[in-house]
Amino acid sequence: EIVLTQSPGTLSLSPGERATLSCRASQSLDNLYLAWYQQRPGQAPRLLVYATSSRATGIADRFSGSGSGTDFTLTISRLEPEDFAVYYCQTYERSSAVFSFGPGTKVEIK
Amino acid sequence: QVQLQESGPGLVKPSESLSLTCTVSAGSFTNNFYWGWIRQPAGKGLEWIGRIYPTGGTDYNPSLRSRVTISIDTSKNQISLKLISVTGADSAIYYCARGGHCRGGSCYSPWGQGTPVTVSS
Repeated sequence: EIVLTQSPGTLSLSPGERATLSCRASQSLDNLYLAWYQQRPGQAPRLLVYATSSRATGIADRFSGSGSGTDFTLTISRLEPEDFAVYYCQTYERSSAVFSFGPGTKVEIK
Repeated sequence: QVQLQESGPGLVKPSESLSLTCTVSAGSFTNNFYWGWIRQPAGKGLEWIGRIYPTGGTDYNPSLRSRVTISIDTSKNQISLKLISVTGADSAIYYCARGGHCRGGSCYSPWGQGTPVTVSS
């Protein structure tokens, strides 16, 4: 079973600043199988990035994903007020057909 | 744009079964996608429960496999979740989501708004 860890748990930043969120896997991943979601308070999660670095439809270009192997990053270049939310990474283990999510990183207003 | 709506009883007694339905907008069932259930206890993270293909094939979270069944009724545009022998640990918001609509096929989008379930006597 692949375990995802995310750091930091909470990121306190101001609007306009750059946010760098980390997702680390317990074993090497195929880049096709790493996605990021945003969840605003009281809302369902929303897909931001899939296959490590591809933005989902309608997602602003200030969001970018990168990484390989066991280390992956979601970067928000300049935080907008609506970006303060919780972010989850997610992977798929093809051999067992099991999905898993990381514990999340909360981006809060400093 | 496909739309998903979860429904079901908000309160279930311990040891009983939880049954939820996800209704999907008409015409959304194609063999290109699958449909998943994900849950989120209050104030906590996301837990994948399982998925089903339009053909009926399923995959489940190993930690829940002995208690969960996901089924599909394409004529009604519905996906169903049944979880037996529930406890307080099963209290959560339950989401359904469409899977496979991305390169690699392992992402979920869109999601329903979720339905809260409380397990309590």
